[in-house]
Amino acid sequence: NAGVTQTPKFQVLKTGQSMTLQCAQDMNHNSMYWYRQDPGMGLRLIYYSASEGTTDKGEVPNGYNVSRLNKREFSLRLESAAPSQTSVYFCASIPRVPKNIQYFGAGTRLSVL
Amino acid sequence: DAKTTQPNSMESNEEEPVHLPCNHSTISGTDYIHWYRQLPSQGPEYVIHGLTSNVNNRMASLAIAEDRKSSTLILHRATLRDAAVYYCILQLSIQGAQKLVFGQGTRLTINP
Repeated sequence: NAGVTQTPKFQVLKTGQSMTLQCAQDMNHNSMYWYRQDPGMGLRLIYYSASEGTTDKGEVPNGYNVSRLNKREFSLRLESAAPSQTSVYFCASIPRVPKNIQYFGAGTRLSVL
Repeated sequence: DAKTTQPNSMESNEEEPVHLPCNHSTISGTDYIHWYRQLPSQGPEYVIHGLTSNVNNRMASLAIAEDRKSSTLILHRATLRDAAVYYCILQLSIQGAQKLVFGQGTRLTINP
């Protein structure tokens, strides 16, 4: 049971570089989410996708773009990375039923120098 | 967004009960109360959730105040593996998606 898989696990970027964080879930879940977690803080929602083909902004969307490629995959793109985007990024998904439990991936640790 | 307030840290002893409090005075009638925990270097893990009534599952119990402005997560017999950051979260239903609004959480330390 893979659950929610995030790649890569670690990444170091230079300011201005771009990269895409990948997330895939094998549980046939409808909704998918991207969060960031800064040191000592709770998670903040970046973007979410309620269903395949739809995406919406969360609390901190600036500097990010997302793509819901299909039902399984939801990617997060940093077009021009900034040091303020150094964080741990978590992907999560929710099934249609029960819709009250989010399943999280193990996270991607990103450092922007 | 509705917010929750939790103590920054708590400490307990192994095999003793732990009561983790949470205040959510701005909760609305349709907001669910969720608890997740996060072990070091891992993603958050679902613990329990409820709307109005107290809830029990194999991991914990959730006691919800009658006015729903506060709740308490109860770990009946803490083990060392329960050491984690515990988040009390309100779940908002928006446009078909369930949004979780995280606070800073309570770091729980379990002493052997």
